[in-house]
Amino acid sequence: DTEVTQTPKHLVMGMTNKKSLKCEQHMGHRAMYWYKQKAKKPPELMFVYSYEKLSINESVPSRFSPECPNSSLLNLHLHALQPEDSALYLCASSRGLAGTHQETQYFGPGTRLLVL
Amino acid sequence: GENVEQHPSTLSVQEGDSAVIKCTYSDSASNYFPWYKQELGKRPQLIIDIRSNVGEKKDQRIAVTLNKTAKHFSLHITETQPEDSAVYFCAASIMGAQKLVFGQGTRLTINP
Repeated sequence: DTEVTQTPKHLVMGMTNKKSLKCEQHMGHRAMYWYKQKAKKPPELMFVYSYEKLSINESVPSRFSPECPNSSLLNLHLHALQPEDSALYLCASSRGLAGTHQETQYFGPGTRLLVL
Repeated sequence: GENVEQHPSTLSVQEGDSAVIKCTYSDSASNYFPWYKQELGKRPQLIIDIRSNVGEKKDQRIAVTLNKTAKHFSLHITETQPEDSAVYFCAASIMGAQKLVFGQGTRLTINP
C-alpha cells in the first residue's frame, strides 16, 4: 500500500458539533502531519507526530485535538469550530522528519470541511 | 524563521513551450527542496525534489536546479501539455526544525 488515505472526503458540521477526521498509511512511515489548506493558499502546518508522539503544535487552537493511536493512524478531533475553520484538511506522512534524508512527505486526498 | 518566496503567482504558456517557476529561501541551513503539483480538488503530489548536495536533477520533461550560493531553486517544465495545468508549490526543509515551509504557489495554465 503506497497511499495515504483520509476519511471522510467531505464533512459539514455545525459550530456545536463534535467530529473526527481520520488518516491512515501503511507505508511504515514514522512521521505524520496535519495541514490546513485554504483556497488558493499553500498547505499550512498544524501538527507533527514523530514515532506516535506529538513533536510540533503550530499554536493551533484547542478546538483542534490531534491523536495518534498507533503508527499507521492519525486522527483530528474537532469541537466547537468556527466558520473560518472551513478548509481542506490534509494529512501527510514521511519515513522520517525534516533533515533526516527521509523527509519526503506524501499527502492524502484531504477532507473538505464546511462549518456552518 | 525560514521564508520561501515563489514567483510568478500565475503563469500562462502556449502548449509545447517551456515554463519556469522560481523560488528563493532565506535559511542557508535548508537542505531539501521538493516541488508539489496540485490539481483542482486534488491532493498535492510530489513531482520532483532535490537535495543541497546536487545542483540539478531531471525527470523526463521536468527538471529542478539549485543555486545554494544565491539561495534559489527553479522548476523547469519543457514541452508543456494541457495536463500540466495546475498549481505548483515549492518548499524548503529547515534543518532541525522538522518541517517544510511552502511557497505561495504558482497557477500554471497551458493554452492549447
